[in-house]
Amino acid sequence: QSVLTQPPSVSAAPGQKVTISCSGSSSNIGNNYVSWYQQLPGTAPKLLIYDNNKRPSGIPDRFSGSKSGTSATLGITGLQTGDEADYYCGTWDGSLSAVVFGGGTKLTVL
Amino acid sequence: QIHLVQSGAEVKKPGASVKVSCKASGYTFTSYGFSWVRQAPGQGLEWMGWISAYNGNTNYAQRLQGRVAMTTDTSTSTAYMELRSLRSDDTAVYYCARGSGYESAVDIWGQGTMVTVS
Repeated sequence: QSVLTQPPSVSAAPGQKVTISCSGSSSNIGNNYVSWYQQLPGTAPKLLIYDNNKRPSGIPDRFSGSKSGTSATLGITGLQTGDEADYYCGTWDGSLSAVVFGGGTKLTVL
Repeated sequence: QIHLVQSGAEVKKPGASVKVSCKASGYTFTSYGFSWVRQAPGQGLEWMGWISAYNGNTNYAQRLQGRVAMTTDTSTSTAYMELRSLRSDDTAVYYCARGSGYESAVDIWGQGTMVTVS
């Protein structure tokens, strides 16, 4: 059971938009920055979003992040088949004194 | 180009220890730290801890306290993670990842090292 809650799977058609939610508490998301990672099959995770809504250089603006209260959301527009991957949210948890991750969401582009 | 290159796959018996290395290149080694994250087969990500490459300060996940040790060698720009008293549920891919602080996002990941305990 992960500290952060994500839906196990989401799906959408190519070109469409999808959102992935990440729910936590005041000890983690509510008082800390959220980051998002993309893990393509058989590869290491890759940073997509940091500090709730900032994109590292090289990440297209199709990817966006937001945070409200104790929840965060990753948005992906203009879906491509190459976006099929597992997506993880992560943040610091002050009560656990640890970085915590969501259980991951598998994105299928139909 | 910034790279983190990890050591190769390991097979260990229960009760043994494993030490995984992570060699950094393309940036000033001591300006960042390293988080270590593992992923059991078919499972999600688990944070193991963090080490500052500047001063060696560490912050370990409570459930691994006493079994894990993270170190760095500034002369070779290499970070190490040693896990002792291995159990079958330690079987996982182990990743090193660069971060500016123990609570911060990690922006560069190593390719991963598969550790099998059997």
